[in-house]
Amino acid sequence: QITLKESGPTLVKPTQTLTLTCTFSGFSLSTSGVGVGWIRQPPGKALEWLALIYWDDDKRYSPSLKSRLTITKDTSKNQVVLTMTNMDPVDTATYYCAHAYYAIFDIWGQGTMVTVSS
Amino acid sequence: QSVLTQPPSVSGAPGQRVTISCTGSSSNIGAGYDVHWYQQLPGTAPKLLIYGNSNRPSGVPDRFSGSKSGTSASLAITGLQAEDEADYYCQSYDSSLSGHWVFGGGTKLTVL
Repeated sequence: QITLKESGPTLVKPTQTLTLTCTFSGFSLSTSGVGVGWIRQPPGKALEWLALIYWDDDKRYSPSLKSRLTITKDTSKNQVVLTMTNMDPVDTATYYCAHAYYAIFDIWGQGTMVTVSS
Repeated sequence: QSVLTQPPSVSGAPGQRVTISCTGSSSNIGAGYDVHWYQQLPGTAPKLLIYGNSNRPSGVPDRFSGSKSGTSASLAITGLQAEDEADYYCQSYDSSLSGHWVFGGGTKLTVL
């Protein structure tokens, strides 16, 4: 059974850097075709894809946020970390990580709400 | 403004059939990239509903079906049930700007 869980701060101040960790079980990030993605959803708004890291360490980023995002993986710990710099109140959202088989986000974590406020 | 366009809302009575459209362009759906659909029940994480345009994951009722043609895709729900009331999102790949994944703006389905 595949499960994912996001963890990180619930509140960050403007200009700070957000670090979120996705801890997963039930699959290996060394398996061909497998990846972990991050998607966010501002309150009452649509889903927005942020980043994706594949088994071969191929990393993809949203063009509009690329300069602020870094995604890394620790295969031995079954974790994927997303950092987002220069946080702004518009970045307030629920952040999800999801298991990806190529481009399909087939299993999602429960999400973690992050509020950006001074 | 989302790269994939969905109607903000649709509604239908129990037992009826509804469709949700997802309109893209020549750099995403029209380029041949697959479309996937997700269902998000209130207060929960999205769940994969349809993958590869028309395939259902195990456990998804056959009341849900997907199709794709040209630069658009559609999700159809037949035999509408109260439990289907949710937000629905389409997703695809876009080859512009070095390539990235995109979601539609979401459609709120109300069961009357």
